[in-house]
Amino acid sequence: EVQLEEFGGDMIQSGGSLRLSCVVSGLIVSGNDMSWVRQAPGKGLEWVSVIYKDGRTFYADSVKGRLTIYREHFKNTLFLQMNSLRTDDTAVYYCARARYGDGSFQGFDYWGQGTLVTVSP
Amino acid sequence: DIQMTQSPSTLAASVGDRVTITCRASQSISGWLAWYQQKPGKAPELLIYKASSLEPGVPSRFSGSGYGTEFTLTISSLQPDDFATYFCQQYSILSWTFGQGTTVEFK
Repeated sequence: EVQLEEFGGDMIQSGGSLRLSCVVSGLIVSGNDMSWVRQAPGKGLEWVSVIYKDGRTFYADSVKGRLTIYREHFKNTLFLQMNSLRTDDTAVYYCARARYGDGSFQGFDYWGQGTLVTVSP
Repeated sequence: DIQMTQSPSTLAASVGDRVTITCRASQSISGWLAWYQQKPGKAPELLIYKASSLEPGVPSRFSGSGYGTEFTLTISSLQPDDFATYFCQQYSILSWTFGQGTTVEFK
């Protein structure tokens, strides 16, 4: 059974830093394409970042230069280092597996339960 | 970024109703569209990918169609478990983007 569990959400002041982690079981993080997706309270979903199997990373413009996605193979864990946090970064952050099939992305098929980051002014 | 616009934002329906949700893209995304269902306090669940491919385990009352800029999610006969919020997502180009969501509520 595949399980993803996020940790690290907290209340933090604007300008601060936080690191989120996503501990995964049932699939190998470094052998999959993994993403972070966030959801501001009462709002829709926003894709944040992806790290591909080959190590390439991509970010939404809204977080570029401030958030960094990376993984640690031996911990089978995905991370999101969040620096220079702003109030509009307040959201539940989900990690998710980005499934590829037939050479194309097919969707996020495994999700964690999410961890809440609250950035105060 | 490609903008995704869903309509309606809220939909009131009864058990047994046929429900259709529309998602429009600001430019052509071919068939690179997914649909998700989200219930309060829970993570989204993938329902459909590549516009019309049903995710394994998802009931066959869910179906998707469309190509280019206009897409629909149809629930053929609404069941009590289907009252939830639905999101479309384009993955034609990074940055992947989602629609704002459609909430299906009890009439």
